[in-house]
Amino acid sequence: EAEVAQSPRYKITEKSQAVAFWCDPISGHATLYWYRQILGQGPELLVQFQDESVVDDSQLPKDRFSAERLKGVDSTLKIQPAELGDSAMYLCASSKHPTKYEQYFGPGTRLTVT
Amino acid sequence: AQKITQTQPGMFVQEKEAVTLDCTYDTSDQSYGLFWYKQPSSGEMIFLIYQGSYDEQNATEGRYSLNFQKARKSANLVISASQLGDSAMYFCAMRALNSGGYQKVTFGTGTKLQVIP
Repeated sequence: EAEVAQSPRYKITEKSQAVAFWCDPISGHATLYWYRQILGQGPELLVQFQDESVVDDSQLPKDRFSAERLKGVDSTLKIQPAELGDSAMYLCASSKHPTKYEQYFGPGTRLTVT
Repeated sequence: AQKITQTQPGMFVQEKEAVTLDCTYDTSDQSYGLFWYKQPSSGEMIFLIYQGSYDEQNATEGRYSLNFQKARKSANLVISASQLGDSAMYFCAMRALNSGGYQKVTFGTGTKLQVIP
């Protein structure tokens, strides 16, 4: 069964350092989502791509976060510089069509900023 | 704006018993959808069940059923015959289409379910 891949699974970084996460959606899925999940809360959408275009980044802290999906396939989420409050689980999800409700989630990257 | 409220931070249930996890929502949209996801301690989000706002019958998927009461704006998850493997966080979520026609999903804060042997 096809799955969403994410790496790394765990990342520890010092504050002010740069960090990057990678996501490879299920093949053929045009829509890709990055969520941030702070401990004890539900996931919050950071950015949504349709193919290579950003369609929603209203909750992305653009002064330090950036996301790209250059060829409309895999995606990278970057934080520079990392802050203590960025410690969270970063989840990637994909869906076949932007209006289809089925989202398939990857295993997530757990980030700890020290 | 959409809002999901889960008022039960934690629940206990005896193995083989049924349990109801509460979810209320707020939206001004006429067309929307409601989900439930399970998140084990390993972290991945597992889709359980979906209910569209125009669906006339309550959704069911195996041991999971969604008690959808549109007038009350509630979408409670019922798990029948609880199993030890059901111990996890459960998130209620709502989808709506934004002005660009793309779906946006809003999650609640979750309920931690623990199944007791």
